[in-house]
Amino acid sequence: SQQGEEDPQALSIQEGENATMNCSYKTSINNLQWYRQNSGRGLVHLILIRSNEREKHSGRLRVTLDTSKKSSSLLITASRAADTASYFCAYVTSGSRLTFGEGTQLTVNP
Amino acid sequence: SQTIHQWPATLVQPVGSPLSLECTVEGTSNPNLYWYRQAAGRGLQLLFYSVGIGQISSEVPQNLSASRPQDRQFILSSKKLLLSDSGFYLCAWNLGEFGEQFFGPGTRLTVL
Repeated sequence: SQQGEEDPQALSIQEGENATMNCSYKTSINNLQWYRQNSGRGLVHLILIRSNEREKHSGRLRVTLDTSKKSSSLLITASRAADTASYFCAYVTSGSRLTFGEGTQLTVNP
Repeated sequence: SQTIHQWPATLVQPVGSPLSLECTVEGTSNPNLYWYRQAAGRGLQLLFYSVGIGQISSEVPQNLSASRPQDRQFILSSKKLLLSDSGFYLCAWNLGEFGEQFFGPGTRLTVL
């Protein structure tokens, strides 16, 4: 399967703590993207990192990409209850459209 | 600004009935359009995508079909629904082959 893999499948933390989610993939990619999905809603794009980039920041989000290990991580710092959602990585290759991982369900307890 | 609409929001249909889900995009021209299905607690499976009017690519053989009658309209159809067609259907658009995608609110389909 070309599908990305994410771990952990579920993560429960306290407000104020950092949350780290990991994503692995199997092919060469053009870019890797992270999306957020609140329960029963559409996905919202968070950040895109290109294959020639190693790290990217957006507010409380930090994404890293290691193309030699074919892996990426999403760090959410100083988490809030409102960060509770499912987070998906998705990657693009030159020969295919966006391929999504299975997601990490993040629960931030107040 | 661009917006994407999907309807209906929820749908309950009997097995063997037809299906038509509609997606429209406003505020952009010649977008790439996508239909995804999401099973409960799972990731997204790409069903169809379109790079222009009348151009449809199918990713997974199934009981569904898609059409793009207008530049910013994408329709997902079935002649006879199966139980396995139940799921959360998401429409998305983007510009360019590799960019971020923008998702609609989704349609929850339950086939009984």
